[in-house]
Amino acid sequence: DGGITQSPKYLFRKEGQNVTLSCEQNLNHDAMYWYRQDPGQGLRLIYYSQIVNDFQKGDIAEGYSVSREKKESFPLTVTSAQKNPTAFYLCASNTGGPAYEQYFGPGTRLTVT
Amino acid sequence: GENVGLHLPTLSVQEGDNSIINCAYSNSASDYFIWYKQESGKGPQFIIDIRSNMDKRQGQRVTVLLNKTVKHLSLQIAATQPGDSAVYFCAHSGSARQLTFGSGTQLTVLP
Repeated sequence: DGGITQSPKYLFRKEGQNVTLSCEQNLNHDAMYWYRQDPGQGLRLIYYSQIVNDFQKGDIAEGYSVSREKKESFPLTVTSAQKNPTAFYLCASNTGGPAYEQYFGPGTRLTVT
Repeated sequence: GENVGLHLPTLSVQEGDNSIINCAYSNSASDYFIWYKQESGKGPQFIIDIRSNMDKRQGQRVTVLLNKTVKHLSLQIAATQPGDSAVYFCAHSGSARQLTFGSGTQLTVLP
């Protein structure tokens, strides 16, 4: 099946620890995105990548880092500098062509205590 | 910055009735609009899209209406079913193929 996978579904960390969230897609999409969703709110863009080895900051990049070494993979690291990391994290991809539609993964719920 | 917002945060409808979910946006330069459905604990799913050169588009049981004069977007769901209960987001295109999302409307279908 083609799609986007995120792992794990639930993640628990202690404050002060870095944590990396996985996002993999087999849709052959060029562009990938990371969003953060807080309860009762919409999606806010953290980082995005339109091509391998290139990525740009979104609206709320502080305290996060990404890499795009392979077309299929776009991992997100939540660093200890992120002041309020507990949230639902969503990864998405897009063909990079004329369509704007983004396909989303199932999400990772991160809880930091 | 760009802004996409919703008129109502919650909507309850009787099963079988039609639902209308509204969305306001502020960027008149937006050329692409999407509606997503998000069930609890899952990622958003694409429902339907519309380009700015259209004012109406129909899908299976769903219709999206775009009024560029008042910068308003709506999603109509015909014969609402229990499986339609979810949060619905509108989104619009920005620069570099980014999407800007509204805060969502929780649709609850009553038996």
